[in-house]
Amino acid sequence: DAGVIQSPRHEVTEMGQEVTLRCKPISGHDYLFWYRQTMMRGLELLIYFNNNVPIDDSGMPEDRFSAKMPNASFSTLKIQPSEPRDSAVYFCASSPGWGSYEQYFGPGTRLTVT
Amino acid sequence: AQSVAQPEDQVNVAEGNPLTVKCTYSVSGNPYLFWYVQYPNRGLQFLLKYITGDNLVKGSYGFEAEFNKSQTSFHLKKPSALVSDSALYFCAVRAWGNTGFQKLVFGTGTRLLVSP
Repeated sequence: DAGVIQSPRHEVTEMGQEVTLRCKPISGHDYLFWYRQTMMRGLELLIYFNNNVPIDDSGMPEDRFSAKMPNASFSTLKIQPSEPRDSAVYFCASSPGWGSYEQYFGPGTRLTVT
Repeated sequence: AQSVAQPEDQVNVAEGNPLTVKCTYSVSGNPYLFWYVQYPNRGLQFLLKYITGDNLVKGSYGFEAEFNKSQTSFHLKKPSALVSDSALYFCAVRAWGNTGFQKLVFGTGTRLLVSP
């Protein structure tokens, strides 16, 4: 298996633009997580899905952020409009379930908003 | 609220020496504890977990961790460090969110630097 795939790996955009981050989880994993990593705040859970259904979105910072999972093999995290404080590395992770508690992380998308 | 603390931003150790990366936890009930490692420009990788059982847990790449209930600690250890162990290490704990669902809460990370 190729592991969790994220695209793009790097994104540079101007303030006010829409940004869409993409994730393909490991096949057969029922859980998908979106995290954000910054120097100031560390690694934060934004939202997670179980069987394509959002379970906990309490970490989504504000209405500018939205996430979808239209099917078991694809998820998006959208920021509209983007702001400089959104600059971070965004990770997608997938997991076979809470029985193992192991999460498999993608390589991340480094977002820079100027 | 459930949380973990990693008191050291960085740990320096010479290759071949034993290493310890510290983690303390604060949870109500029985803790579920984890260690992850992050190499440069990569996502986090699972190393090991403690859920129940033996207090000494063995994981990937020769790492182990010792669960100590009285000290509320879960320190990561390795008997002999390698230069390739240099990375960012995260301790994590299972927590319950406001919505009633479980999640992992990560510490701030400790950078391990192993010198040749």
